[in-house]
Amino acid sequence: SQQGEEDPQALSIQEGENATMNCSYKTSINNLQWYRQNSGRGLVHLILIRSNEREKHSGRLRVTLDTSKKSSSLLITASRAADTASYFCAPGGNNRLAFGKGNQVVVIP
Amino acid sequence: EAQVTQNPRYLITVTGKKLTVTCSQNMNHEYMSWYRQDPGLGLRQIYYSMNVEVTDKGDVPEGYKVSRKEKRNFPLILESPSPNQTSLYFCASTLQGANSPLHFGNGTRLTVT
Repeated sequence: SQQGEEDPQALSIQEGENATMNCSYKTSINNLQWYRQNSGRGLVHLILIRSNEREKHSGRLRVTLDTSKKSSSLLITASRAADTASYFCAPGGNNRLAFGKGNQVVVIP
Repeated sequence: EAQVTQNPRYLITVTGKKLTVTCSQNMNHEYMSWYRQDPGLGLRQIYYSMNVEVTDKGDVPEGYKVSRKEKRNFPLILESPSPNQTSLYFCASTLQGANSPLHFGNGTRLTVT
């Protein structure tokens, strides 16, 4: 399916450490997007990487995309307590974005 | 301020009583979509609309209806709600379908008893 699958599903780290999340998908895509959700609120877009891109940066975020392995990773560097949230990947294609189940990240102050 | 507005924020209703959740965006986006979020299942797409008068089923359309008569509005209609439709619902919009970032509303928490 187009749906992304995040791994690990839960992650607990100390403030200042880096957090890495992975996403796998099964179909061809035009792009892959990452979103953050705080406590049941609406998702907030973090970064979009196109299928012809391999790496993209935005502030403390670094996203990679390997279309041959159908996988992506999101790295949050120097994590802060405010980064505590659920993170979702969403492979995009065929006019649809299909979200995974999410990855719960807890940053301990 | 650019935003997607959903109403109501919370809704408790009984089985079989028709309800409508409204969604409005002020960004002139062509693409709008409804998702439901359930524990352990993530976000699943219910319906989406590429433009006015154009709607398509998502992954879980059963029991829902939508309409897109104006570009800014995309209401979600439950003709006969059932308890398995108890969920957190999100409306979202974007300029270019799956090729640009989605803007989400704050969600509607629906309980059907």
